Amino acid sequence: DAGITQSPRHKVTETGTPVTLRCHQTENHRYMYWYRQDPGHGLRLIHYSYGVKDTDKGEVSDGYSVSRSKTEDFLLTLESATSSQTSVYFCATGASNTEAFFGQGTRLTVV
Amino acid sequence: AQSVSQHNHHVILSEAASLELGCNYSYGGTVNLFWYVQYPGQHLQLLLKYFSGDPLVKGIKGFEAEFIKSKFSFNLRKPSVQWSDTAEYFCAVVNQGGKLIFGQGTELSVKP
Repeated sequence: DAGITQSPRHKVTETGTPVTLRCHQTENHRYMYWYRQDPGHGLRLIHYSYGVKDTDKGEVSDGYSVSRSKTEDFLLTLESATSSQTSVYFCATGASNTEAFFGQGTRLTVV
Repeated sequence: AQSVSQHNHHVILSEAASLELGCNYSYGGTVNLFWYVQYPGQHLQLLLKYFSGDPLVKGIKGFEAEFIKSKFSFNLRKPSVQWSDTAEYFCAVVNQGGKLIFGQGTELSVKP
């Protein structure tokens, strides 16, 4: 497996608080992605990055922001968490528009 | 807009039965196509991929998929499923700009 580390792996937070999830890679991959996985919806793309400081929105970007200040790190921020953002979040990386490799996921619960 | 649609949400088969999972995509440009598998409690793993060339591609664990450009389809097949194939299967499409989109997933349950 590619060297992709997500942190934290589990988090419980209160509604209205900010939350930042981190994805760290050691593969020097150009592309990085954040998805959320919910039953019946598959994986939905939140944001993705095609280079340092180059990001774009995905299918469900409202309420989320991202930053990529260096190749190896891609941060996902929930500015003010809501219960609808309770989900499992996956980070993925890829060298080009080829296959992506996934992290182990972060289970986020907003109460 | 780029999108992926998987027709079957939940498929139940007996061992040794044949499998075909449908996938259609929508995008006006060049794409690469993938099938991923997610076993319970795990992250996604690549089953197979299509970039160009022979439209019939073979992957791991006896899976194969056929790309039919005229139908915008990339269906997954396996001649004889095993209980260990129980998992969720995702079709995915990436465009030239690197935007990678997944379908809703198909949950496969194989009865021993």
